[in-house]
Amino acid sequence: KQEVTQIPAALSVPEGENLVLNCSFTDSAIYNLQWFRQDPGKGLTSLLLIQSSQREQTSGRLNASLDKSSGRSTLYIAASQPGDSATYLCALTPTQGGSEKLVFGKGTKLTVNP
Amino acid sequence: KAGVTQTPRYLIKTRGQQVTLSCSPISGHRSVSWYQQTPGQGLQFLFEYFSETQRNKGNFPGRFSGRQFSNSRSEMNVSTLELGDSALYLCASSFFTGQGENGYTFGSGTRLTVV
Repeated sequence: KQEVTQIPAALSVPEGENLVLNCSFTDSAIYNLQWFRQDPGKGLTSLLLIQSSQREQTSGRLNASLDKSSGRSTLYIAASQPGDSATYLCALTPTQGGSEKLVFGKGTKLTVNP
Repeated sequence: KAGVTQTPRYLIKTRGQQVTLSCSPISGHRSVSWYQQTPGQGLQFLFEYFSETQRNKGNFPGRFSGRQFSNSRSEMNVSTLELGDSALYLCASSFFTGQGENGYTFGSGTRLTVV
């Protein structure tokens, strides 16, 4: 059974700092891995989608990498801002199961202090 | 283009009642899936529909059911509500191809409170 772990559960940094969020998974048989952002009480906003054949994706100040062999993904946020404060979730689509359901980690709650 | 629309945004129900939540996917998306989010369990998969057929179901009791209509809109129903059903219910749509190359787009969710 695929399990996704995100460490740390919470992170507090000063504004302007570069930071890395970690996501690990137990089974490398995945279609893709997606990073989401969730603001309190809101839905999920997709940040980056990495296909299993890709190693990384970039969007603005965000860069996500994927290493299937080690079962790890990282989300790098450059020059963090208070507006980046949110919970960041990684989710992957396993190839087994005959569907494309997502398996989520429990998230990292990020606080960027002005 | 319009995103994923979930209605209603908030619901308060009494134990024992039933509730129906609605989700309209992005135009052209035929795959709709539902997730329950609670502080203790995080995001858990409920079920997935494609072209009006349930393709997969998570580990939830039979009180949780759903369906999908020919226009891809989906509803989920929870009968005999329990306090533990209080959660944020999220719907996601995808342009499903079976190859996993497309990601999911989520709606804003329905916050269900059972009292």
